[in-house]
Amino acid sequence: GDSVTQMEGPVTLSEEAFLTINCTYTATGYPSLFWYVQYPGEGLQLLLKATKADDKGSNKGFEATYRKETTSFHLEKGSVQVSDSAVYFCALRVGSGNQFYFGTGTSLTVIP
Amino acid sequence: SAVISQKPSRDICQRGTSLTIQCQVDSQVTMMFWYRQQPGQSLTLIATANQGSEATYESGFVIDKFPISRPNLTFSTLTVSNMSPEDSSIYLCSVEDLTSGRHEQFFGPGTRLTVL
Repeated sequence: GDSVTQMEGPVTLSEEAFLTINCTYTATGYPSLFWYVQYPGEGLQLLLKATKADDKGSNKGFEATYRKETTSFHLEKGSVQVSDSAVYFCALRVGSGNQFYFGTGTSLTVIP
Repeated sequence: SAVISQKPSRDICQRGTSLTIQCQVDSQVTMMFWYRQQPGQSLTLIATANQGSEATYESGFVIDKFPISRPNLTFSTLTVSNMSPEDSSIYLCSVEDLTSGRHEQFFGPGTRLTVL
C-alpha cells in the first residue's frame, strides 16, 4: 500500500544551521509529494510540492527534489531561522481528489 | 487559497457524550475531508464528506461513530459520538477544489478534543 516514512524527531538546530529532514515513500502508482508545515497553535499549511519525478519544489528557502530512483523527497534548507520552528509533515497522494498519506511528522526547534 | 474555519477550536468533554465540529470554507470547493491526528501521531483520514449524499468512510471508521453532514459546497460537520478517552485527538477539516487543477488540499486550524 501507499505510505510515507519520515525521519523521527525532535530536531534541534542553531540558527543558520543546515536542515535536512528525510522522507521516503512507497506508492503503487505515480504519486505527488508534499511537505506540510504546522506552526505552533496553527493548522497545516502547504510548504511545497512536486508532482513528478525530478521536480523540485521550493518555498521560503526550503527545497525538496522528487527522486524516483531512491523513492525520496528530503526537505532541505540552507540556513534555518527561529521562525522555522514547527512540525513538518511529508505526504503523498496518488491522483487528485484522493486521500493523503502523511508521515508521522518531525518537530523542529531552532534556537538563537 | 481557501480559508477554512472550524468551531469549536477546542473542547473538553465527558465520556459518553457527543460533540459536533463545524467546518466552514470561504468559497465553494469540490472535496471536503475529515482527518484525525491522535497525540504524537500523524494524520489519518476519517472520511470524505460528499455534498448531498452519505460520506465515504475509510477502513476503521463508521457512520454511527462519526456521522458527517455536508449540506452544501462550503460547509460540513463531523460528530464524534458516544465519546471515550481514546477519541481525544485533533480533528481537522480539509478541502480541495478539483476545478482549480492545482492538486492542493488546504487544512483548517483543527479542533482539539479532550475526553475525560
